[in-house]
Parts: sequence; C-alpha cells; structure tokens
Amino acid sequence: DQQVKQNSPSLSVQEGRISILNCDYTNSMFDYFLWYKKYPAEGPTFLISISSIKDKNEDGRFTVFLNKSAKHLSLHIVPSQPGDSAVYFCAAADTGTYKYIFGTGTRLKVLA
Amino acid sequence: NAGVMQNPRHLVRRRGQEARLRCSPMKGHSHVYWYRQLPEEGLKFMVYLQKENIIDESGMPKERFSAEFPKEGPSILRIQQVVRGDSAAYFCASSPIQGLNTEAFFGQGTRLTVV
Repeated sequence: DQQVKQNSPSLSVQEGRISILNCDYTNSMFDYFLWYKKYPAEGPTFLISISSIKDKNEDGRFTVFLNKSAKHLSLHIVPSQPGDSAVYFCAAADTGTYKYIFGTGTRLKVLA
Repeated sequence: NAGVMQNPRHLVRRRGQEARLRCSPMKGHSHVYWYRQLPEEGLKFMVYLQKENIIDESGMPKERFSAEFPKEGPSILRIQQVVRGDSAAYFCASSPIQGLNTEAFFGQGTRLTVV
C-alpha cells in the first residue's frame, strides 16, 4: 500500500511563475515531512522539511504547507527557475520509527 | 565533511552472481537507510540499520537480500544470485540521531545492472 502519494507524475511551469507540488499521506502517525530534489544520476538532496506541530515552513523561494486534517502537504516554489527542473520527492517519517517513506516523485519542468 | 559515499557507482553482474553495495555514512551519523529505485518508480524503503543492529527490514525481499552495518567499516547491501529484476538504482542515506526531527542525507547511488 502506498502510504505517501504524489498523484501528479509531471508538472510544467513557466519561468517566474509559481510551482505547486502536492503530496498526500495516509498514516496519521507520520509527524515529520520532507521534500527532496533529485537530478538524473544523482542522489536525492534535501530541500525543506516541516514538523507536524507547524502548518508552514519557508526557506527562500521554497515554502512547505501542511494540512494535517486533510493529510496533505504541498511545496511551493516562487519564482520558479529553470534550474529547479528535477524530480521532487516528498517523504514522511514517524519519529518513533524513523523510517522515511517516499512518494513516487513529481517531475518538474520549468520552461524558460 | 564528506557526504554519504556509495561505491561502486555502477555495477554489472551476470544472473546468478552476487552483488555487494557499500555505503559509508556521513561522519558522526550512526543510522543508515537503504532504498531502491526501479525504473520509472519512486524510492522504496528496504532496510534501516544502526551500528551492528538491523532496526527495520520490512522492505527487504525475504530471500537473497541481506544488509549489515558493522561496528567498523561501511554498511553493505548484499544481493545473492541476482536476477534481471534486481536491476535498479540503490540509494543509501544516513542520519545522525533517532528521535529528533532531522533529514537523511543521500549518497549518489549504485546503479546495478544484471545481464
């Protein structure tokens, strides 16, 4: 069963506009959420995280929103840049077990 | 501070051979995770280890796969009698401590090709 879902396999956005990547989870025990970015032939690199005690975390152009009641999180990138083109994975962890569960990824393409 | 080091980056094995994938965590990190990414799929959890202990191996296939993280040296993911379906990218991640909100840092992965 897929505990972390990214239902959009791909997304194209014009440079300078907002990119919104979505992620849904099913396990209410998850209390820590992360976004990773992955370029081809490289390992995922950490981007931003959020604890379940918050509903928003911002770092420069990247903001993550968490809606616990809907079991939904999203990553906003504003403004989007061509270098942001990559596969984005969301991950969730239960701090009791520290097993990070990843979604299947969304391929973002930012068009110049 | 060196990142998570995985070797080899690419590994080609014939069906029936053994594959050994190595992962050296970041300095000061005592928790290691192994993930597998099949073509066109996401990262699938395989196993979570601490030094000399397997904490969670619920994502590991029951046969042919094993993992260890000895007191000294890298973590090893071992695949015996490889089959074509084992062809994938295998990623290792490490984190410093359990129980605190912290991210895991990934290596660049080992791409295993079974011919």
